[in-house]
Amino acid sequence: AQRVTQVQPTGSSQWGEEVTLDCSYETSEYFYRIFWYRQLFSGEMVFLIYQPSFDTQNQRSGRYSVVFQKSFKSISLVISASQPEDSGTYFCALSERWTGGLSGKLTFGEGTQVTVIS
Amino acid sequence: EAAVTQSPRNKVAVTGGKVTLSCNQTNNHNNMYWYRQDTGHGLRLIHYSYGAGSTEKGDIPDGYKASRPSQENFSLILELATPSQTSVYFCASGGLGGGEQYFGPGTRLTVL
Repeated sequence: AQRVTQVQPTGSSQWGEEVTLDCSYETSEYFYRIFWYRQLFSGEMVFLIYQPSFDTQNQRSGRYSVVFQKSFKSISLVISASQPEDSGTYFCALSERWTGGLSGKLTFGEGTQVTVIS
Repeated sequence: EAAVTQSPRNKVAVTGGKVTLSCNQTNNHNNMYWYRQDTGHGLRLIHYSYGAGSTEKGDIPDGYKASRPSQENFSLILELATPSQTSVYFCASGGLGGGEQYFGPGTRLTVL
């Protein structure tokens, strides 16, 4: 069964610093994707970035990037030049077996609450 | 313009009562999902759907039913609500390719 773990319940950084959030997962599948979402204080869930298992290149999107360590089943989200607006709770989520129109359903970690101090 | 909307946004129900949570999406996505989020936890999947007329059980389906009457609409039904179902419920839509999901704003349900 799939499982996602985020061991850092909270974190903080100063404005402009780089923030790294860690996530580990369990899966027996070869093909999967890891997604990162941010939950705003309003509760809104915002998609940030995802990493496909078959892609050896770490994905980047704006100030977000990931460090993907497939052999360790670990992935980190890196936020460069953090800003107070980046504050919120960050969730890592695993999606398996999306091919052929299958579910794409997500298994979420517990989240890491980040505060960026100005 | 919000692409995934939920109603109601807040609901107080009594134990044993029937509750229906509604979700509408304008993304034209085939897949839709219902999750619940409890304080201090991530989201957990209750039911999902591949398209109109289909519903599938997620990881925690007990006590919940789902209905997908059309591409746009997906409902979550609590036939006999219990206090343990007090939670925040999120609906999401996603494409066939299993890419990112787009979430609604959430419904806060309190069962007394």
